[in-house]
Amino acid sequence: QEQLVESGGGVVQPGRSLRLSCAASGFTFSSHGLHWVRQAPGKGLEWVAVISYDGNDKKYADSVQGRFTVSRDNSKNTLDLQMNSLTIEDTAVYYCARDWTLKGASIYYFDLWGRGTPVTVSS
Amino acid sequence: DVQMTQSPSSLSASVGDRVTITCRASQGSGNWIAWYQQKPDKAPKPLIYAAASLESGVSSRFSGSASGTDFTLTISSLQPEDFATYYCQQYYSYPPTFGQGTRLEI
Repeated sequence: QEQLVESGGGVVQPGRSLRLSCAASGFTFSSHGLHWVRQAPGKGLEWVAVISYDGNDKKYADSVQGRFTVSRDNSKNTLDLQMNSLTIEDTAVYYCARDWTLKGASIYYFDLWGRGTPVTVSS
Repeated sequence: DVQMTQSPSSLSASVGDRVTITCRASQGSGNWIAWYQQKPDKAPKPLIYAAASLESGVSSRFSGSASGTDFTLTISSLQPEDFATYYCQQYYSYPPTFGQGTRLEI
């Protein structure tokens, strides 16, 4: 069964850091690009970041550029999101999502999602 | 960024109804459009990709179509499990962007 499971969310003060993780199983992890997508309370979906299947290419939304860093470990089937200098606007449920493409450039279609991990930034 | 304007923002319907949700893109071309269903406190579920292709395992009562910059999700005969929020997403232009969602209520 293909699965993505996020962890690491919690409550953090503005300006602090938090690291999210996503564990994958049931598919060839190293063949797919992976994304983080977030959803603020009561709001819609916002794409956050992508990392290519081999980890060599990373892109970020303007809203998190310079503060968030995405990484992956293909030997452990894990995806991480390091979030620094957090602001109240970063409060959201964070989903990891798989890119549809196999071993190619990510096309930004998300064909498998995790259940999400909530992040609350509050003083 | 491409703006995806989704309408209506909410919709009341009954079991058995035929329902249509529309997304209009602010610019661009191509049919790289996806539709997702989201139930409360659950992850989005992919329904449609490439504007009209049905994801594996998704009921055939869901269908998608495209006409220029207008994209449509149709549910042919609503079932109780279809009451949820639906999002469109474009992935033909970077960065990918979503519509604001349509809440489908009984």
